[in-house]
Amino acid sequence: DTGVSQNPRHKITKRGQNVTFRCDPISEHNRLYWYRQTLGQGPEFLTYFQNEAQLEKSRLLSDRFSAERPKGSFSTLEIQRTEQGDSAMYLCASSLTGDASGNTIYFGEGSWLTVV
Amino acid sequence: GENVEQHPSTLSVQEGDSAVIKCTYSDSASNYFPWYKQELGKRPQLIIDIRSNVGEKKDQRIAVTLNKTAKHFSLHITETQPEDSAVYFCAAMAENSGYALNFGKGTSLLVTP
Repeated sequence: DTGVSQNPRHKITKRGQNVTFRCDPISEHNRLYWYRQTLGQGPEFLTYFQNEAQLEKSRLLSDRFSAERPKGSFSTLEIQRTEQGDSAMYLCASSLTGDASGNTIYFGEGSWLTVV
Repeated sequence: GENVEQHPSTLSVQEGDSAVIKCTYSDSASNYFPWYKQELGKRPQLIIDIRSNVGEKKDQRIAVTLNKTAKHFSLHITETQPEDSAVYFCAAMAENSGYALNFGKGTSLLVTP
């Protein structure tokens, strides 16, 4: 088990372009989360899946953002028509329901997005 | 929604001294409080967590205390070492009403030799 894996790790894109990030959670973790982190701030919750169902979405997740987890394993986060304000690190995390440690959430290394 | 305040924003201590970081939260339904350590350009890593049925938890040089009545919790690091230098984030979650972790803004800890 190599932990939560994210790619690409870095992405530079021009304003108006679409970008997609992929997250592979820890094997058998049924919960998957997306967070966004900007410099000097704590991670901000975007959305959460339990298996393939998207159960919660933050108001931060505008219509340009869409997340999927079609088979309950990996997830993608797509940002359409990117804006400079979208520049941030996008963190994926996962956890296991019923784990003895409860809701311990493990983060990936993040995908850095720079919109120019 | 939940609001987590964290203080101080920066903290500098001498190696061997103790460091204390404090957080307050607003949602009385919150019952899970993890602490994460994040080094520059790295992922947040869980270092310790506590649930509301416990008032204190210790793991070697790290301890966390929770006061549910006052809605605050603290991280204590004893015998600090230069490798403890990082940004520390507290977070709160109401496990019965959703699974979003709400983070504080972080404390940048510098341990000088």
